[in-house]
Amino acid sequence: EVQLVESGGGLVQPGGSLRLSCAASGFTFSTYSMNWVRQAPGKGLEWVSYISRSSSTKYYADSVKGRFTISRDNAKNSLYLQMNSLRDEDTAVYYCARDFNSGYELDYWGQGTLVTVSS
Amino acid sequence: QSALTQPPSASGSPGQSVTISCTGTSNDVGGYNYVSWYQQHPGKAPKFMIYEVSKRPSGVPDRFSGSKSGNTASLTVSGLQAEDEADYYCSSYAGSNNFELVFGGGTKLTVL
Repeated sequence: EVQLVESGGGLVQPGGSLRLSCAASGFTFSTYSMNWVRQAPGKGLEWVSYISRSSSTKYYADSVKGRFTISRDNAKNSLYLQMNSLRDEDTAVYYCARDFNSGYELDYWGQGTLVTVSS
Repeated sequence: QSALTQPPSASGSPGQSVTISCTGTSNDVGGYNYVSWYQQHPGKAPKFMIYEVSKRPSGVPDRFSGSKSGNTASLTVSGLQAEDEADYYCSSYAGSNNFELVFGGGTKLTVL
């Protein structure tokens, strides 16, 4: 069974940093591209970042470019999101999601971890 | 403001059909056949329901179908059941200049 379990969320002050993790199991992690998607409280989904299987390709939404860094460790079956210079508008549940096939659709999602940016 | 436009709500009685629209532009929905749909129950993670406009992943009932015309994609739920009540989000690839996935604002489907 495919499982994605996020961790690392919490309360952080504006301008602070946080590192999210996503532990993958039930599939060969190294053969799938991965993504982070977030959802602000009561709002819709917003794609955040993409990383290819070998980490050679990374993409970011304009809203987080230069502040967030996606990475992965295939030996540890783990995906990460380093978030720096956090803003109030970064408050959201952050989901890790597996790429289905083409890189443009997400077939499995974790339960999410809540990041709250507030003073 | 979301990149793709969905109606905030939709409703239907058990057994009926309901269609949810998702309007974008020629740079996303109209330009690529990479439209997907996700179902989200309150407090839960999104579930993958439709990919490449009209294909169903394994395990998704055939009551769910997708289509596209021009810049507008649609999700139709036939034979509505109580468990279909959820939020539905469309998504499209929008990578003309750079890789980007865009989502709609979501539609709350109520089964009356």
